[in-house]
Amino acid sequence: QKEVEQNSGPLSVPEGAIASLNCTYSDRGSQSFFWYRQYSGKSPELIMFIYSNGDKEDGRFTAQLNKASQYVSLLIRDSQPSDSATYLCAVGDNFNKFYFGSGTKLNVKP
Amino acid sequence: DTAVSQTPKYLVTQMGNDKSIKCEQNLGHDTMYWYKQDSKKFLKIMFSYNNKELIINETVPNRFSPKSPDKAHLNLHINSLELGDSAVYFCASSLSDRLNTGELFFGEGSRLTVL
Repeated sequence: QKEVEQNSGPLSVPEGAIASLNCTYSDRGSQSFFWYRQYSGKSPELIMFIYSNGDKEDGRFTAQLNKASQYVSLLIRDSQPSDSATYLCAVGDNFNKFYFGSGTKLNVKP
Repeated sequence: DTAVSQTPKYLVTQMGNDKSIKCEQNLGHDTMYWYKQDSKKFLKIMFSYNNKELIINETVPNRFSPKSPDKAHLNLHINSLELGDSAVYFCASSLSDRLNTGELFFGEGSRLTVL
């Protein structure tokens, strides 16, 4: 099983702050990288995907990928209480398998 | 209309019993999956079918048997249930030509509790 590591948290940030979520992966051959959000008792939903080194921005979310360091992160700007959830990092391989981390729980305090 | 629907949502049963979980998607996707999420939130792939053909079969006890009667349905049958099978089982679907975007659409999950 390929490893995808995340700090389980909880990560607590005040409303309006930047939340930074991190993920490392073990397989250097990984091709694609994803962030899913999972509210308590709900199913995961895709927030962003990234393939190339660098940053990718979508609204308040920015995904960052560094393949040399085998590191992917998610920044959430202007965090809102509605962003409180568990964020799952997922890594895809050449065979269209997705390996998920155990998630980081984010709490945004009003 | 629910895109990916699973039944039942909750299942409580005794050790040794056999149970099934059903999944249906109305998105027109050609690939379906079963994932298991344990108490530590690890989401681990179990099986994947593409157009009714098994394409991913992870190291899962053979007590677990998936079946895909058509590309819109994927069922999971579990024989001789054990305590360690307690988890949330998620069905998911995708289009095979969009897998690189990670667009997995998940069902709401089926919480299995084995007593």
